[in-house]
Amino acid sequence: NAGVMQNPRHLVRRRGQEARLRCSPMKGHSHVYWYRQLPEEGLKFMVYLQKENIIDESGMPKERFSAEFPKEGPSILRIQQVVRGDSAAYFCASSPRGDYGYTFGSGTRLTVV
Amino acid sequence: ILNVEQSPQSLHVQEGDSTNFTCSFPSSNFYALHWYRWETAKSPEALFVMTLNGDEKKKGRISATLNTKEGYSYLYIKGSQPEDSATYLCAFISGSRLTFGEGTQLTVNP
Repeated sequence: NAGVMQNPRHLVRRRGQEARLRCSPMKGHSHVYWYRQLPEEGLKFMVYLQKENIIDESGMPKERFSAEFPKEGPSILRIQQVVRGDSAAYFCASSPRGDYGYTFGSGTRLTVV
Repeated sequence: ILNVEQSPQSLHVQEGDSTNFTCSFPSSNFYALHWYRWETAKSPEALFVMTLNGDEKKKGRISATLNTKEGYSYLYIKGSQPEDSATYLCAFISGSRLTFGEGTQLTVNP
């Protein structure tokens, strides 16, 4: 079991470009969560998804950010027109049920230049 | 706004010392509390999921207790080793989301 796979590990984007972050949950896990860690801060909830459904996106910025978890393929966190303030580590986690411990991926470090 | 608070923010101990840290959370509408261990350059790793008042869980030299009525959980490490150096996070489930505290950063000096 490969665990939660995130790619890329590091992503550099110029201001105004789009960033696409991918997350493949553990086999058998249907719950996916995205968290962001800004510099010098803790993990902040962004969005919770199950297959083809967004369950809770209350932590997502209202503009430029979107997430999906299609029937086939990985979950994608998409950031349009990136700005320097989007530079952060983005972690994905998965669980088989909402009340189980989460398994985290290694994160994607986004740097906006 | 949900507040999960951890103390202390950081802790330095000597190898062999036993230590503990605190997580406090809102006591109303309790569902579950998680503890995670996060080593530098790695991803957070689940230690415990605690759901019942009075729960006590143990994994090797690490144990945790839960008091849902007063809204706190303690994590204990017995006989700390340098490899225990990490940030220990607690997280509280409310609705569908897991809200993390800022963590306690533990450094164990050999």
